[in-house]
Amino acid sequence: NAGVMQNPRHLVRRRGQEARLRCSPMKGHSHVYWYRQLPEEGLKFMVYLQKENIIDESGMPKERFSAEFPKEGPSILRIQQVVRGDSAAYFCASSPLGGSYNEQFFGPGTRLTVL
Amino acid sequence: GENVEQHPSTLSVQEGDSAVIKCTYSDSASNYFPWYKQELGKGPQLIIDIRSNVGEKKDQRIAVTLNKTAKHFSLHITETQPEDSAVYFCAATASGGSYIPTFGRGTSLIVHP
Repeated sequence: NAGVMQNPRHLVRRRGQEARLRCSPMKGHSHVYWYRQLPEEGLKFMVYLQKENIIDESGMPKERFSAEFPKEGPSILRIQQVVRGDSAAYFCASSPLGGSYNEQFFGPGTRLTVL
Repeated sequence: GENVEQHPSTLSVQEGDSAVIKCTYSDSASNYFPWYKQELGKGPQLIIDIRSNVGEKKDQRIAVTLNKTAKHFSLHITETQPEDSAVYFCAATASGGSYIPTFGRGTSLIVHP
């Protein structure tokens, strides 16, 4: 059973370009979470999705950021018109169930660098 | 919302020593406390977790304790080995809402051979 897959692992963009980060959850997992990690900081929650639904986007910046988890295919985190402050590691996690005791399985992350 | 404080930010020990990392949380509704280990260039991996109806849990060299009254929980690693070197994150998840964990800022553990 393959783990959570993320691609690309490294992404370099110039200011103003778009960044698309992909996440394929573990087989059988229908809950996906996106987090952002800045150097020497913890993981900051961005958005929680189930298939075709955004459950909680309270951590998502109001502008330029969007996320989706379509019926078929990976979850996508999209950042439009990137700025240098968007440079960070973005992690996706998946779980088979929601709820309080759900273990989240993390992918290896996408490291975004904005030049 | 929940606030999780984690200390120390850096911990350096000799191989064979014990290491203790402490976290406090603010939301008394939190009832699930996972600990993650993150190695360089990798994603976090769950190493142990504890639910609020339990005061202590142990798995080989790793143990976690929870004091609900004081709202703090700790990770204990005994007989540390160089491969334990990594960043460790604690988290607290409140019941209700969408059950999103709030993470501490992490502790960089260095085990010297």
